[in-house]
Amino acid sequence: SQKIEQNSEALNIQEGKTATLTCNYTNYSPAYLQWYRQDPGRGPVFLLLIRENEKEKRKERLKVTFDTTLKQSLFHITASQPADSATYLCALKAAGNKLTFGGGTRVLVKP
Amino acid sequence: DTGVSQDPRHKITKRGQNVTFRCDPISEHNRLYWYRQTLGQGPEFLTYFQNEAQLEKSRLLSDRFSAERPKGSFSTLEIQRTEQGDSAMYLCASSPPRGSNMNTEAFFGQGTRLTVV
Repeated sequence: SQKIEQNSEALNIQEGKTATLTCNYTNYSPAYLQWYRQDPGRGPVFLLLIRENEKEKRKERLKVTFDTTLKQSLFHITASQPADSATYLCALKAAGNKLTFGGGTRVLVKP
Repeated sequence: DTGVSQDPRHKITKRGQNVTFRCDPISEHNRLYWYRQTLGQGPEFLTYFQNEAQLEKSRLLSDRFSAERPKGSFSTLEIQRTEQGDSAMYLCASSPPRGSNMNTEAFFGQGTRLTVV
């Protein structure tokens, strides 16, 4: 069956350190993968997209890698700040029109 | 147009009642999605519209759920005979037409939180 797995345990990290989140998938051949941020009680907000033929993408303090052989994407927040505390969701676009989301990983950055 | 708008933000209803939610997408977006999200989980796809046509529907969507987008602009999601298991956040998202510069990004509304008591 198709699965998208993110670490369900919260990631506690000290301010200034790099947070690394993992998204693993099985039985998908995604055209691209996206990462979203979600704050409590609010809808997800798009952060980054990486296509199947791209290895790495950066945006300010964010970096995403995509390994289609390992079926894995890594999401890095460098020089983390308390304002980065949120839940981060990965989402796949495979066949059809929908995005399929992982369960999300909560990040807590402590000052 | 500041983004995707959903109404109401919160809804408490008694089991067995019908509820209807509204979504106003970003005006130039012809693609519209409904998702459901429960606590600690990621959004779960419900249905997809391109303009006024409902092109995709999750097999998880029971017959009690129906969605419309009559003029290709706003959309409504109705749940009939609500059950406690329907309690969740209902999220609407829209995307611009394929081929446009950012056609892959989904813009989400703030959601409607439904509580069935």
